[in-house]
Amino acid sequence: GEQVEQRPPHLSVREGDSAFIICTYTDSATAYFYWYKQEPGAGLQLLMSVFSNVDRKEEQGLTVLLNKKDKRLSLNLTAAHPGDSAVYFCAVNSNTGYQNFYFGKGTSLTVIP
Amino acid sequence: NSKVIQTPRYLVKGQGQKAKMRCIPEKGHPVVFWYQQNKNNEFKFLINFQNQEVLQQIDMTEKRFSAECPSNSPCSLEIQSSEAGDSALYLCASSLDTNTLYFGAGTRLSVL
Repeated sequence: GEQVEQRPPHLSVREGDSAFIICTYTDSATAYFYWYKQEPGAGLQLLMSVFSNVDRKEEQGLTVLLNKKDKRLSLNLTAAHPGDSAVYFCAVNSNTGYQNFYFGKGTSLTVIP
Repeated sequence: NSKVIQTPRYLVKGQGQKAKMRCIPEKGHPVVFWYQQNKNNEFKFLINFQNQEVLQQIDMTEKRFSAECPSNSPCSLEIQSSEAGDSALYLCASSLDTNTLYFGAGTRLSVL
């Protein structure tokens, strides 16, 4: 089945700097890609969804890049602030097998004021 | 704020006890997923529904859990006999289709 690798597991940046997270996946048939944010004690908040016909998407200080050739998905938070401190998860929907969604193991981001 | 409502937020049970959690999907979303997130941030798919029908479930769910999504009532997931290894965050998500999931805040289960 699909394998999703996410790195780094932990990331610490200073306020105003960028934070970059990357995920790789294995199934070339994967069609849908997501980034979620999980704050302590909370569920997953959808940040952005990207379909396979899109290479780049930007929204509110977030940039998602999709490289289908290398099977790589990335998230860049520009000008991070302390409120961005959370765990970020990538997820893919491969429509294979019986569990459609596959998640990375998360990146714990700390933004230092 | 999430439009998927999960209750209770916290649940503490002894081993062997039943543990029941509920989920109200976002209005108009016919698809509901349940996931178990462990302390290592691994997500385990448990079961999903389209309207009231089960689409898919794993063996563990079939053997040890009871789940339903009745019309006009919250969806529910119940562990029939809790084990220590069931301690986790249980996440409900709803969707218009199976393409994008919107998650609730979760029910954190502790089995003592």
